[in-house]
Amino acid sequence: NFMLTQPHSVSESPGKTVTISCTGSGGSIASDYVQWYQQRPGSAPTTVIYEDNQRPSGVPDRFSGSIDRSSNTASLTISGLKTEDEADYYCQSYEASNLWVFGGGTKLTVL
Amino acid sequence: EVQLVESGGGLVQPGRSLRLSCTTSGFTFGAYGISWFRQAPGKGLEWVGFIRSKAYSATSEYAASVTGRFTISRDDSNNVASLQMNSLKTEDTAVYYCTRRHCSSRSCYVDYWGQGTLVTVSS
Repeated sequence: NFMLTQPHSVSESPGKTVTISCTGSGGSIASDYVQWYQQRPGSAPTTVIYEDNQRPSGVPDRFSGSIDRSSNTASLTISGLKTEDEADYYCQSYEASNLWVFGGGTKLTVL
Repeated sequence: EVQLVESGGGLVQPGRSLRLSCTTSGFTFGAYGISWFRQAPGKGLEWVGFIRSKAYSATSEYAASVTGRFTISRDDSNNVASLQMNSLKTEDTAVYYCTRRHCSSRSCYVDYWGQGTLVTVSS
C-alpha cells in the first residue's frame, strides 16, 4: 500500500521560510500528482497546491510545491511566513489512480 | 460564487443509517464530480469516495473502510449530491466534507470544499 508520511509539527518565525515534507513509501511519489491542503483551526480545508506545484487562484505565490524523486518526497514551501499561515497542512496523492491517500498532517506554528 | 453546503448530520445509533446531502450553487453541477471526505475528532483527513460526472457515467469509487456500506449519488436536476451511509459504526464518527472534483486533461483534484457536517455514531 502507498503511504504518505509528514512530520507531526514544524515551527518558524514570521517572515521566514518553512518547508513541510511528505515522503512516499510503497511506491513512487512521482507516479501521480500531489496536492496540499491547508486547514486553519476550526475551519474546513482549502486547497493550496494541486498537480505538484500549481496554485489555485487566490493562493499567494508565497506557497510553492515541488517533488524530489531521489528522496521520494513532495514538499510544500511557504515563504514570508505570516501568522495567518498557522494551520494544519495535509499532502494527498493517489493509489491505483482512483484511491486517494492522505498524509497524517503537519501542524505549522508561526511563532 | 461556488458553494457547497452539507446537511443531514446528527446523532445516530450504531447499525443505523443516515443520508447526507450536498447542495451546490455557483457552477454547472453536471460538469463536475463530487468527492466526500471525513475527519474524525482530532484526527486527519480521510477520503471517503467520489462520483464522476454523467459524462463519465456517474461511476463512483470508495475507500476500503466504507465500501459496501456507503453509496454516493447525484441529482443533476437539483444540483445535489448525496452520501447514503448504512450499517454505521462508532468509527464513522467524523465531520463529513463535500467537495467539488475538478478534472483536467492531466488529473482530478479538489478545488472547493464545503464547511462540513458532523456525524456522531453512538448509542
